Amino acid sequence: DTAVSQTPKYLVTQMGNDKSIKCEQNLGHDTMYWYKQDSKKFLKIMFSYNNKELIINETVPNRFSPKSPDKAHLNLHINSLELGDSAVYFCASSQSSGLNEQFFGPGTRLTVL
Amino acid sequence: AQSVSQHNHHVILSEAASLELGCNYSYGGTVNLFWYVQYPGQHLQLLLKYFSGDPLVKGIKGFEAEFIKSKFSFNLRKPSVQWSDTAEYFCAVNGRRSSASKIIFGSGTRLSIRP
Repeated sequence: DTAVSQTPKYLVTQMGNDKSIKCEQNLGHDTMYWYKQDSKKFLKIMFSYNNKELIINETVPNRFSPKSPDKAHLNLHINSLELGDSAVYFCASSQSSGLNEQFFGPGTRLTVL
Repeated sequence: AQSVSQHNHHVILSEAASLELGCNYSYGGTVNLFWYVQYPGQHLQLLLKYFSGDPLVKGIKGFEAEFIKSKFSFNLRKPSVQWSDTAEYFCAVNGRRSSASKIIFGSGTRLSIRP
């Protein structure tokens, strides 16, 4: 029933590891996003895919690689995790041919030790 | 440069007080405007949105916002807050065009309501 879902909800890992976060939406939207929310609650867009094609790629280290196998899924893979990667990562989706209201997932809290 | 400013970082009110949270934006062209709310430990949810028409927009839970184009503002209001309104509030803007465009979020305003 969940519109935008993310797994896992919590992720605790050591520096240097590689991890992935998955996102799925069942709203039939054609655009998906990844946001990073830091400890001060500041929300910043990282990537956006429209119909499996990358359309927004903000200044993000290339250790972060998004992958969209189909328009309902947008996964985020992070290589060589660093302490500064600790944050809450939110996935969102919207319909591009409209007014771009975005629907957010529940977030994944990543803690790098 | 595109930006959204929320000048109040933390607002503390007593229950039944009136609320106004400021939001100013800088964005070329016609815009869509949003207010999102994030309750403690939860994800962002849309409170209300402005696309066109009546500049006074009513949202869920008794919230409203007014778009004043000349002031580039979209302030959020509620006449009487409740303890359950304790949350982080984000103002956001994006450009109104047919293809997807990124939403720019403000830095958020933390609202604490004293019971």
